[in-house]
Amino acid sequence: GENVEQHPSTLSVQEGDSAVIKCTYSDSASNYFPWYKQELGKRPQLIIDIRSNVGEKKDQRIAVTLNKTAKHFSLHITETQPEDSAVYFCAASSGSARQLTFGSGTQLTVLP
Amino acid sequence: GAGVSQSPSNKVTEKGKDVELRCDPISGHTALYWYRQSLGQGLEFLIYFQGNSAPDKSGLPSDRFSAERTGGSVSTLTIQRTQQEDSAVYLCASSLVNADTQYFGPGTRLTVL
Repeated sequence: GENVEQHPSTLSVQEGDSAVIKCTYSDSASNYFPWYKQELGKRPQLIIDIRSNVGEKKDQRIAVTLNKTAKHFSLHITETQPEDSAVYFCAASSGSARQLTFGSGTQLTVLP
Repeated sequence: GAGVSQSPSNKVTEKGKDVELRCDPISGHTALYWYRQSLGQGLEFLIYFQGNSAPDKSGLPSDRFSAERTGGSVSTLTIQRTQQEDSAVYLCASSLVNADTQYFGPGTRLTVL
C-alpha cells in the first residue's frame, strides 16, 4: 500500500518568512495530493491540492509543487503570519483507492 | 450549506464497553470515509463507503470495529469491547461521487478508561 513520509515534524519561522514542508510517497499510481491544515481541537481543513497532471499550483500565499519522477511534493507558504500556525498534513490517494494516506504532520509555528 | 457533522463530540467509556459513533455527511455526498487520529499522529484510514457498493474495510484494525451506512447517508462506527489503545479522535469525511476532495467533520474524541 501507499506510504507517505513528511518532514520536518516541527518548523518555526519568523513572521514574514517562508515555510516549506516536504512529503514523499511510495505508490507511483497515486494521482491526487491534498494538503490539510488542522488547528488545535479543530477538523482538518483542505488548503490546497494538486493532481498528477500538474507540476505546480498556487493560491495566494500558498503553493504546492509535485515531482512525479522523484515521487515527492512540497507545500510552500510565503509571507507567513501568526494565524498560519497549525499542524499541516500532506496526503496521497490513487484513483482506484480513494482513501487518503496521510503524512505524520508538521507543527508550524510562526513567531511574531 | 451544512458541513459534515459527528456525534457525540466527546465520549468517555470504560474498557470492555461498546461504543457507537455517528457521522452525518454533507447532503448529496455519496462517498463517506472514517479515519482515526491518535494523539500527535496523522490520520489513519479505517473504512470507505461509496453509494451502494460494498464498503472497503481494509483499514479496520480488528474485528471489534465495524461500520454501517443506512440509506446511503448517515454512518455509524461501532467499536466493541473497547480497549485503551482505541482512545483517539475518530474523524468522518465525505465527498461527491468520483471526486477527490474530502471534507472532514469535527471528530469524536473517544477516551477509554
